[in-house]
Amino acid sequence: GESVGLHLPTLSVQEGDNSIINCAYSNSASDYFIWYKQESGKGPQFIIDIRSNMDKRQGQRVTVLLNKTVKHLSLQIAATQPGDSAVYFCAENEGLGDSSYKLIFGSGTRLLVRP
Amino acid sequence: EPEVTQTPSHQVTQMGQEVILRCVPISNHLYFYWYRQILGQKVEFLVSFYNNEISEKSEIFDDQFSVERPDGSNFTLKIRSTKLEDSAMYFCASSTNRFYNEQFFGPGTRLTVL
Repeated sequence: GESVGLHLPTLSVQEGDNSIINCAYSNSASDYFIWYKQESGKGPQFIIDIRSNMDKRQGQRVTVLLNKTVKHLSLQIAATQPGDSAVYFCAENEGLGDSSYKLIFGSGTRLLVRP
Repeated sequence: EPEVTQTPSHQVTQMGQEVILRCVPISNHLYFYWYRQILGQKVEFLVSFYNNEISEKSEIFDDQFSVERPDGSNFTLKIRSTKLEDSAMYFCASSTNRFYNEQFFGPGTRLTVL
């Protein structure tokens, strides 16, 4: 069946260091991926997305890498700041597929930034 | 910046009671969604809605659930007879189109069923 999972439930990094959050997906029909950030008591907040015809996309301080061969997605945060502390979810979508309405979320990784 | 809003922020109800969760999507968006998140678990898709009808629904979205867009701005989720296991955060989301499109999420309604 479909599943999106994360390798590490909690990641602790020193302020100023780079963070890498990983995600594995199993639905080969998925061709659109989003990273969301969720702070305590709030809804998921869009960070960055990527389509399957790309293997890398950069935003402000964030980079998403997609490896379709091994069905792996990662989020890199440069110069991690205390405000980056949150739970990060990857989500997948079939893009143009029959189930393209829904996002399938992974189980989340908590990022803790040490001062 | 436009945002999705949800009311109430917290709803407490007795088992067996009906609840209605309300959402105001972003005004120019055409696709609307409900998701839920049981405490400590992943966000789960419930239903999507477009052109005044359900586009897709998950196995969770059984006959106890219904959605409605009663006017041009609100989007509601009704749970007809709540169960203890319905306790969760319920998130509304909206998007401008269906494909390759970011879904914007509201802050959520925490539903507690006693």
